[in-house]
Amino acid sequence: QVKLVESGGGVVQPGGSLRLSCAASGFTFRSYGMHWVRQAPGKGLEWVAFIRYDGGNHYYSDSVKGRFTMSRDNSRNTLSLQMSSLRAEDTAVYYCAKDLVGATFYFDFWGQGMLVTVSS
Amino acid sequence: QSALTQPRSVSGSPGQSVTISCTGTSSDVGGFNYVSWYQHHPGKVPKLMIYDVSKRPSGVPDRFSGSKSGNTASLTISGLHTEDEADYYCCSYAGDYTGVFGGGTKLTVL
Repeated sequence: QVKLVESGGGVVQPGGSLRLSCAASGFTFRSYGMHWVRQAPGKGLEWVAFIRYDGGNHYYSDSVKGRFTMSRDNSRNTLSLQMSSLRAEDTAVYYCAKDLVGATFYFDFWGQGMLVTVSS
Repeated sequence: QSALTQPRSVSGSPGQSVTISCTGTSSDVGGFNYVSWYQHHPGKVPKLMIYDVSKRPSGVPDRFSGSKSGNTASLTISGLHTEDEADYYCCSYAGDYTGVFGGGTKLTVL
């Protein structure tokens, strides 16, 4: 069955960096676009980033553009989100999510979520 | 990339129907038929309930239906069950490989 397992969350100071990873299994990882979605405490879901199936292009929300970089390793079935210049407002549970097909922006499977706390 | 507009809360009694609206612009909801809906129980993972405006993934009860008119999409849940109580989010493709969620609606089943 499809499984997405995030790792790498934790507490980081404002201005710091953190790298999230997502290990995928149970499907042909290299055939699907992947996303990161986050949810700040008490807030709604927010789409963060998307990467095409081949990793050739990646796209970001305005709120993280220039600070976050998404990448993937199709040989290891892993997804990453490198976060830098972190701000308090980046505090959230981060989910990796599989696209239903390629780039439909339908999220049919989600990881369990990883908490990132930006605080001094 | 402004969030889509949803009512903060809706409520209904078991067996009744409720409709949750999701209003965007011609740059997202109105411009594409890539609208989806998610059910999110606190402490659990969001679940895809509707995609392509009105299609249901396998396993989603046909009590859940979706539609769209202009810049507004809607999710209707008929024959409410107590387990339907959750937060519901709409999401739309917004062009240039970006997406946008609604602010979320808390459904209370009285």
